[in-house]
Amino acid sequence: DVKVTQSSRYLVKRTGEKVFLECVQDMDHENMFWYRQDPGLGLRLIYFSYDVKMKEKGDIPEGYSVSREKKERFSLILESASTNQTSMYLCASIRHRVGGEKLFFGSGTQLSVL
Amino acid sequence: ILNVEQSPQSLHVQEGDSTNFTCSFPSSNFYALHWYRWETAKSPEALFVMTLNGDEKKKGRISATLNTKEGYSYLYIKGSQPEDSATYLCAWDNAGNMLTFGGGTRLMVKP
Repeated sequence: DVKVTQSSRYLVKRTGEKVFLECVQDMDHENMFWYRQDPGLGLRLIYFSYDVKMKEKGDIPEGYSVSREKKERFSLILESASTNQTSMYLCASIRHRVGGEKLFFGSGTQLSVL
Repeated sequence: ILNVEQSPQSLHVQEGDSTNFTCSFPSSNFYALHWYRWETAKSPEALFVMTLNGDEKKKGRISATLNTKEGYSYLYIKGSQPEDSATYLCAWDNAGNMLTFGGGTRLMVKP
C-alpha cells in the first residue's frame, strides 16, 4: 500500500520555538506539498517541491521554510513558531504535475503553539 | 480569496437519509475537479477526479456530477451510513496541478 507518513499526529510547542514537521513518501513521487487546514478556509498551500533541493512558495509561505534533501522526504520548518501557526498541517505527494492526477496525503499533524 | 466554494459547511443527517452537497468553482482555465473524503484521524483519500462536462462518476453509494460550463459539481450519498461521516473536500485543478481547495463540507451521520 502506498504511503505518505507524517512524523507526528499531535505536537505542542511554545511561541518562538523552531519546529520541524517531517513527511516521507514511499511512492518515488517527484512532487511534494505542504498545506495547512483551518476551519472554513480549505486547504491552503504553504510550499511545494518538484524535485530534490527545489522548492516553490505557495499561497501562504510567510513564517515557513522547507527542505528537500532526499526525494522521499519533505520537511516543513517554522523558524520561530507563533500562535497563529496553530493549525492542522497536511503533507501530500503526486508523481507528475499534470492535470487530473490525484494527490496522496498524510494523515496530518495537529500543531498547537502556546 | 477563496474562489472554490462548498456548501453547506456542515450537515447532520440520519442514517438511511440520502444527501448531497455542492462545490462551485471557476469555469475558466478548468482542467479537472477532484473530490476527497477526509475521515477523522485518517488521510484524505481521493474519491473522484472528473474532467468532462456532464460526467457522472459512481463509487458504491457515492456519486458525483460535473458541470464545467456553469462551474459546479454535486456529490450525492445514497442511504447515508455512520461510516460516511467525514469532511468532503473538492479541489479545482487548472492543469498545473496546483489544486485550489474548497472549505469542505463536514458530514455527520447519526445512527
